[in-house]
Amino acid sequence: QSALTQPPSASGSPGQSVTISCTGSSSDVGGYNYVSWYQQHPGKAPKVMVYEVNKRPAGVPDRFSGSKSGNTASLTVSGLQAEDEADYYCSSYAGSNNFVFGSGTKVTVL
Amino acid sequence: QVQLVESGGGSVKPGGFLRLSCAASKFIFSDYYMSWIRQAPGKGLEWVSYISSSGSAISYTDSLKGRVTISRDNAKNLLYLEMNSLRAEDTAVYYCARGSRYCSGGTCDPNFYFDFWGQGTLVTVSS
Repeated sequence: QSALTQPPSASGSPGQSVTISCTGSSSDVGGYNYVSWYQQHPGKAPKVMVYEVNKRPAGVPDRFSGSKSGNTASLTVSGLQAEDEADYYCSSYAGSNNFVFGSGTKVTVL
Repeated sequence: QVQLVESGGGSVKPGGFLRLSCAASKFIFSDYYMSWIRQAPGKGLEWVSYISSSGSAISYTDSLKGRVTISRDNAKNLLYLEMNSLRAEDTAVYYCARGSRYCSGGTCDPNFYFDFWGQGTLVTVSS
């Protein structure tokens, strides 16, 4: 149950795109299409932005998109806006009702 | 709108015990699996425990097995987490979260993400 690996930080100017990677193993990311991504602003609870690799909940802008290849999932935020500045965490189902989160990535809008 | 409100956090000495509660409302609690997820100060999210909608299936993160117990009371719409032998490294905000499910054709299956979270309760373990 090791944490999924994410880059500590990512940044981009307003209007640009930023992509965050999330690397696991065949026991979690690679083994299931149940990767989700959460946005967390300081002092707030996390909010799901993407689920089942590439699906967006109602109300989440289509600027947020997800993908997966092998043991690595990715979240892309296009058309960066100031309010996108936050911490982002990936999560994956790991079988037998177990879950694992990523180490987190701080996204800065320059 | 779904509401999850955690309580029971506070300051406790190493080796102590705490029971956290999560009051659920505005949805049929007994239809959903639930989890506890924690976040140490300045650190990332860590999944702690899962409990199925009926309470018949339970799982824990390996690092906490034997020290935590998850349970639920579907009649009272409450989720619990009992923690014992607390250590300084258990200091964290503890969130309860609802597990999402996908329903089609009259049947529902989990799709393994957390669609609603509480605001968290802070547990501080210090002498």
